[in-house]
Amino acid sequence: AQSVTQLDSHVSVSEGTPVLLRCNYSSSYSPSLFWYVQHPNKGLQLLLKYTSAATLVKGINGFEAEFKKSETSFHLTKPSAHMSDAAEYFCVVSDRGGGYQKVTFGTGTKLQVIP
Amino acid sequence: DVKVTQSSRYLVKRTGEKVFLECVQDMDHENMFWYRQDPGLGLRLIYFSYDVKMKEKGDIPEGYSVSREKKERFSLILESASTNQTSMYLCASRIQGGTEAFFGQGTRLTVV
Repeated sequence: AQSVTQLDSHVSVSEGTPVLLRCNYSSSYSPSLFWYVQHPNKGLQLLLKYTSAATLVKGINGFEAEFKKSETSFHLTKPSAHMSDAAEYFCVVSDRGGGYQKVTFGTGTKLQVIP
Repeated sequence: DVKVTQSSRYLVKRTGEKVFLECVQDMDHENMFWYRQDPGLGLRLIYFSYDVKMKEKGDIPEGYSVSREKKERFSLILESASTNQTSMYLCASRIQGGTEAFFGQGTRLTVV
């Protein structure tokens, strides 16, 4: 079975402070993991992806995530939040369970950045 | 750049109407997907298609059907729209065997 849990539906940070968006996953196979961002009234944009190479993955706009198999986690971080980071973020797991590439989205985390 | 285009950004339809949502991709991707996005529920897969004329049910197919007559186009059909189908609908495409999906801008459908 495949699932993904985003532990916080809303996160609020001050501009210039670190961002941590938490994601835990479950997969019976070797998963690929993604973070997507969705700005208001926009489509989804890929931030970064893990596909069994380096466990620390760097993405766009200064974001990074670390794949921790022992903790089944893929948390998204950024050292210093910008106002433009305010958006909704989705953690996604993908594996080949059942013979095809199944994809499951988390329920999303809305990031608010306070000036 | 991959471009996934959904024909409408906003639609308002009446209960009982037949509704067509169109999606076109320009990168010759084999796989295409339809999701609906609702607050607090994330994206849920309605249907997907591995290739032309192929379709598979996703997690919430009830009340929907799809059509894939050409590789670049994947249509979502609401046979008889209901108010509980008011939602944001997102189309995506992906190369066969790939891991990254590319998304359209979404169609916000309101059924009144």
